[in-house]
Amino acid sequence: GENVEQHPSTLSVQEGDSAVIKCTYSDSASNYFPWYKQELGKRPQLIIDIRSNVGEKKDQRIAVTLNKTAKHFSLHITETQPEDSAVYFCAARGGGSYIPTFGRGTSLIVHP
Amino acid sequence: DAGITQSPRHKVTETGTPVTLRCHQTENHRYMYWYRQDPGHGLRLIHYSYGVKDTDKGEVSDGYSVSRSKTEDFLLTLESATSSQTSVYFCAINRADNEQFFGPGTRLTVL
Repeated sequence: GENVEQHPSTLSVQEGDSAVIKCTYSDSASNYFPWYKQELGKRPQLIIDIRSNVGEKKDQRIAVTLNKTAKHFSLHITETQPEDSAVYFCAARGGGSYIPTFGRGTSLIVHP
Repeated sequence: DAGITQSPRHKVTETGTPVTLRCHQTENHRYMYWYRQDPGHGLRLIHYSYGVKDTDKGEVSDGYSVSRSKTEDFLLTLESATSSQTSVYFCAINRADNEQFFGPGTRLTVL
């Protein structure tokens, strides 16, 4: 089955810096890669996703890149703000499957 | 978000007792999921359903059973709760745009 590795497990940055979280996947058939943000005590919420026919997608301060050959994808947050502090999860899902595999999460701490 | 609710939101129970958690959706989606979330482990799939009375196991299904008698309801039962099942449980639905949309979660403590 699919295996998703996520790094780092903890990321500490200063406000205004950029943050990058990386994930690798094992199943070359995976074609959908969402990212979720979970604030303390809340539910995970989808913030951005990318499909395998696209190499990059942006939404304001966040962007996701996908390298299908290397089987890795990354979340980029620019101009970080304290409200970006949360746990971020990546996931991968294969063609025709409705079962995503999640990474273990990255705790992002943005210091004011 | 009213699309998916979970009950109860918090529960404390004793080892050996049965526990049932309920997930209710108002969006009529076919796929529903139960996850548990523990520090250092992320979100792990317990069971999922792909239709009424159609369910299958996830990676951590031992000690859990599920039922889905109506499209809108997906029940998770811990037949005999153990301390290792202390966790936060999330239900989710798969929306048409492929988004996994999560419920608010149930915090379960087994003493």
